[in-house]
Amino acid sequence: DAGVIQSPRHEVTEMGQEVTLRCKPISGHDYLFWYRQTMMRGLELLIYFNNNVPIDDSGMPEDRFSAKMPNASFSTLKIQPSEPRDSAVYFCASSFERDEKLFFGSGTQLSVL
Amino acid sequence: DAKTTQPPSMDCAEGRAANLPCNHSTISGNEYVYWYRQIHSQGPQYIIHGLKNNETNEMASLIITEDRKSSTLILPHATLRDTAVYYCIVRVAWDAGNMLTFGGGTRLMVKP
Repeated sequence: DAGVIQSPRHEVTEMGQEVTLRCKPISGHDYLFWYRQTMMRGLELLIYFNNNVPIDDSGMPEDRFSAKMPNASFSTLKIQPSEPRDSAVYFCASSFERDEKLFFGSGTQLSVL
Repeated sequence: DAKTTQPPSMDCAEGRAANLPCNHSTISGNEYVYWYRQIHSQGPQYIIHGLKNNETNEMASLIITEDRKSSTLILPHATLRDTAVYYCIVRVAWDAGNMLTFGGGTRLMVKP
C-alpha cells in the first residue's frame, strides 16, 4: 500500500484566495483525520470522519474552514478565503477501527502571503 | 485524556540506547500509553503502545512503571535516522474516535 497520500506537497497562495488540500487514505481504513501543525501551537486535530461522516469538527478554527469526504477514498480540506495566519503544515491521517495506529501522510506545507 | 510531561530535548550517541522518559501521573486505569515520532518534514509515525505490561516491537521497547505513572521508550541502538521529535500520549483505547492529542514532545538528537 502506498500509505496516506496528500496533495499538493506545497501550496503558496495569496491572501483571500481559496485553497483546497486533498487526501487519499489507506484503502480499507474507516477513520480519517485532518491535523494542522504550527511552531506556536504544535499538532492540532481539526476534524475527523468515520465511514465518510464528519464526527467531530470542534477543532476547525472558523467558518472559513470546511472539510468533506465524498467517498471512502478521498477527502478535502478547503479554506476560503485564506489568511496569512492559516500558514502551516496540514496533515491527513487514517486508521482502521480496530487498529490503534494512525497512519499519517507527508503533509501539505501551506503558505498564505 | 491524561496530561503527559516530557523533557524538551535529549541527546544520544549513535549506537547507544536512547531512553526517553514520560510522566503521566494522572493516568486512568483504562488509558493506554502511546508513542509516536516525527522526523523532520514528515508526518508523525506510530512506534508502540501499551497498557501496563512492557511491550517490544521491531522499533522500540516500552517500559511502564508498576503504578503506571511514568514510562520509558527505549530505542536499543539509536541511529542518526532516529533523530526526531518523540511524542508520548495517553488516551483511552478506542473511544468514540481514534483521536490523539499531541503535546510538545522530546526532541531527540542522535550524534555520531
